[in-house]
Amino acid sequence: AQKITQTQPGMFVQEKEAVTLDCTYDTSDQSYGLFWYKQPSSGEMIFLIYQGSYDEQNATEGRYSLNFQKARKSANLVISASQLGDSAMYFCAMREGLGTGRRALTFGSGTRLQVQP
Amino acid sequence: GAVVSQHPSWVICKSGTSVKIECRSLDFQATTMFWYRQFPKQSLMLMATSNEGSKATYEQGVEKDKFLINHASLTLSTLTVTSAHPEDSSFYICSAAGALAAADTQYFGPGTRLTVL
Repeated sequence: AQKITQTQPGMFVQEKEAVTLDCTYDTSDQSYGLFWYKQPSSGEMIFLIYQGSYDEQNATEGRYSLNFQKARKSANLVISASQLGDSAMYFCAMREGLGTGRRALTFGSGTRLQVQP
Repeated sequence: GAVVSQHPSWVICKSGTSVKIECRSLDFQATTMFWYRQFPKQSLMLMATSNEGSKATYEQGVEKDKFLINHASLTLSTLTVTSAHPEDSSFYICSAAGALAAADTQYFGPGTRLTVL
């Protein structure tokens, strides 16, 4: 069963606008972590933001914020003030259990974001 | 921040040859390393988890005799693709978690692009 679902294969956004990338997840664990990574054409995985299942506040990192709706099992990424350099593939990922850096991540299928001037 | 390197960054080889990919944690001790594979326009799929000093745990469908993983030290894990074939052409990415890593931190290497002719 798909644990991480990203329903938007591709998204376009105008420069300086905000964009939301969707992510839903499925787990029976109470403890889990949610991640967003950016993958530019070079292939490297760039960590953007993390949300733990017990975190009461939505995570924010600069222009990135995570809209965490636990009851809906969604963890959407919001990028504010888009820049041309934001054009990349974005992956949502989950790791079940907390404090378990030694467990692998499960990735969604990704969303390709293109920022237009 | 913690740095993970991979070598080589890209390799082209003939069908039937073996290729070794190295993953190193440069400034921390990685007790656990993960190997992922990413085919073009697809997501990252976990191949195996390796813990220092013990045998790797392979995901279902990954041939352990074809993808040999060695995690002999706390800073180095190697993935050897034996008797490579064109269908093994892919992007291979490692990630590492340290013994004293922050609770939910993993660090990704820059990836190795393998092309088998």
